Amino acid sequence: GQNIDQPTEMTATEGAIVQINCTYQTSGFNGLFWYQQHAGEAPTFLSYNVLDGLEEKGRFSSFLSRSKGYSYLLLKELQMKDSASYLCAVPTSGTYKYIFGTGTRLKVLA
Amino acid sequence: GAGVSQTPSNKVTEKGKYVELRCDPISGHTALYWYRQSLGQGPEFLIYFQGTGAADDSGLPNDRFFAVRPEGSVSTLKIQRTERGDSAVYLCASSLIGGGASNEQFFGPGTRLTVL
Repeated sequence: GQNIDQPTEMTATEGAIVQINCTYQTSGFNGLFWYQQHAGEAPTFLSYNVLDGLEEKGRFSSFLSRSKGYSYLLLKELQMKDSASYLCAVPTSGTYKYIFGTGTRLKVLA
Repeated sequence: GAGVSQTPSNKVTEKGKYVELRCDPISGHTALYWYRQSLGQGPEFLIYFQGTGAADDSGLPNDRFFAVRPEGSVSTLKIQRTERGDSAVYLCASSLIGGGASNEQFFGPGTRLTVL
């Protein structure tokens, strides 16, 4: 079956670095997405990984290890506006049906 | 429009009533998705359209839920005989085409459905 696991909550300090992990189990693999969702708002796309390794995009980076079924999102130089939920999502193999994790609620403290 | 729009933004209804939720995707996007999101949870897949056809409706919880996209653009999610458990935020997303990074989904603001 398909399954995604993420920590429920994390807390970090403004200016710090935080790593949000995601482990997944799928029958095939078509890539992994990270979305950001502020409270009461729609999710917005952050990154997509289909090959192993690190993809860097400004303050945000995303890493993928297909052999381990593992990804992480790295947020650097945290800002208060980064307080949000971070959703890991994978499309099921051969389809466009997406499975989302429950999301990791990140609180950035001053 | 510039982004995905959904109407209404809020809908309060009574148990047993019928509701329709509308989604207007980004112009030119062939793929359209409906999700349901409860508090503290990630979006739960309901149905996916490629063009006018429902390519995957395996996430619809039961036959009270139905969705259409007659002209390959606007979609309507229809819920019959609403139940209190249907209360959630219903999200619509569209993407240009399936596969890879080009399948980045653009989400609408959602419709918050409350069934009393």
